[in-house]
Amino acid sequence: KQEVTQIPAALSVPEGENLVLNCSFTDSAIYNLQWFRQDPGKGLTSLLLIQSSQREQTSGRLNASLDKSSGRSTLYIAASQPGDSATYLCAVPQTGSARQLTFGSGTQLTVLP
Amino acid sequence: NAGVTQTPKFRVLKTGQSMTLLCAQDMNHEYMYWYRQDPGMGLRLIHYSVGEGTTAKGEVPDGYNVSRLKKQNFLLGLESAAPSQTSVYFCASSTGQLSTNEKLFFGSGTQLSVL
Repeated sequence: KQEVTQIPAALSVPEGENLVLNCSFTDSAIYNLQWFRQDPGKGLTSLLLIQSSQREQTSGRLNASLDKSSGRSTLYIAASQPGDSATYLCAVPQTGSARQLTFGSGTQLTVLP
Repeated sequence: NAGVTQTPKFRVLKTGQSMTLLCAQDMNHEYMYWYRQDPGMGLRLIHYSVGEGTTAKGEVPDGYNVSRLKKQNFLLGLESAAPSQTSVYFCASSTGQLSTNEKLFFGSGTQLSVL
């Protein structure tokens, strides 16, 4: 069964710093990996989706990389801003199922002004 | 364009009561999902549907039932609520299978407390 781990569970940084969030998964036979953002009391918003054939995906100040062989993905946030404060979750399709995602527990990011 | 809409946003139940959560999407998506989110446990799939009239069990289906009578709506029912069902419930939808690089779109959630 696929398991997804995100470390650290919480991170606090000063505004302007570049930072990296980590995601690891146990079964490397994945179709893709998604990174989501969740604001307090809100639903999840898909930020980036990396296909299994890709190494990375970029959107604005966000860059996500994928290393299937090592079972790892990173989300890089450049020049962090207080508005980036949120919980970031990664998710991969469940082993043997094309219809279910397995989510990590998320990293709660706080960017201090 | 509303996307995925969940009602109600908050609800308090007594043990043994029943209720239905409604999810509506206006994106003409085939696939719809119900997740629950608990502290430290991430999101877990309860039930899902691959099209109108279909439903399937997810990871934690016990104590819940679902129906997809119309393509745009996906209902989650609790027949006899238990305190263990206190959670935040999220509905989501996608165009197709998640293995085909389809993004998942979420509603804003329902906070349910069972006393």
